[in-house]
Amino acid sequence: EPEVTQTPSHQVTQMGQEVILRCVPISNHLYFYWYRQILGQKVEFLVSFYNNEISEKSEIFDDQFSVERPDGSNFTLKIRSTKLEDSAMYFCASSAQGAAGQPQHFGDGTRLSIL
Amino acid sequence: GQNIDQPTEMTATEGAIVQINCTYQTSGFNGLFWYQQHAGEAPTFLSYNVLDGLEEKGRFSSFLSRSKGYSYLLLKELQMKDSASYLCAVRGVRNSGYSTLTFGKGTMLLVSP
Repeated sequence: EPEVTQTPSHQVTQMGQEVILRCVPISNHLYFYWYRQILGQKVEFLVSFYNNEISEKSEIFDDQFSVERPDGSNFTLKIRSTKLEDSAMYFCASSAQGAAGQPQHFGDGTRLSIL
Repeated sequence: GQNIDQPTEMTATEGAIVQINCTYQTSGFNGLFWYQQHAGEAPTFLSYNVLDGLEEKGRFSSFLSRSKGYSYLLLKELQMKDSASYLCAVRGVRNSGYSTLTFGKGTMLLVSP
């Protein structure tokens, strides 16, 4: 069964550095998402992406964050000038459509640790 | 805004039936999803409801009442591997018309022998 893949599985970075988290969505999906989950807390929506542009973003997704689809397969989340509170599991998801009834399929996540 | 409530923890015995409740208050509703999440892993899609009533899928069933802002996930014939966190997520409709998921905090289910 097709799946969303994310790399790396674990990223350790010094505070203030930039990180890029990578995702390969399911190949025929058109809608892409990033979520994060701080340890012990709920999954939180960051951003959705369709047709090469951001369609929705949350209050968390400020100027520190950016997303890009650099080619036909990858979908990246860049976090600039990382802070300790950015430490979390970051999940990429994709869906075939944005409409109701189409589930979002999640990757295994990247655990980001900021030191 | 969106507010989703579910119990923090539940325990049950192998072979039993358990019902996990979820209540929500949302501005706009475009469906409710249940996901399973084992510790340290990705959420895995279980079920979807957008109309009132029961959706059955093997050992798992999910119910929705839109007027009451209420859903439950029913797990039958519990197995040890069902020990996990169960996430209720509501899809709303925002400005652009593309919808996103708002998750509850999850219900940690522990299945004992």
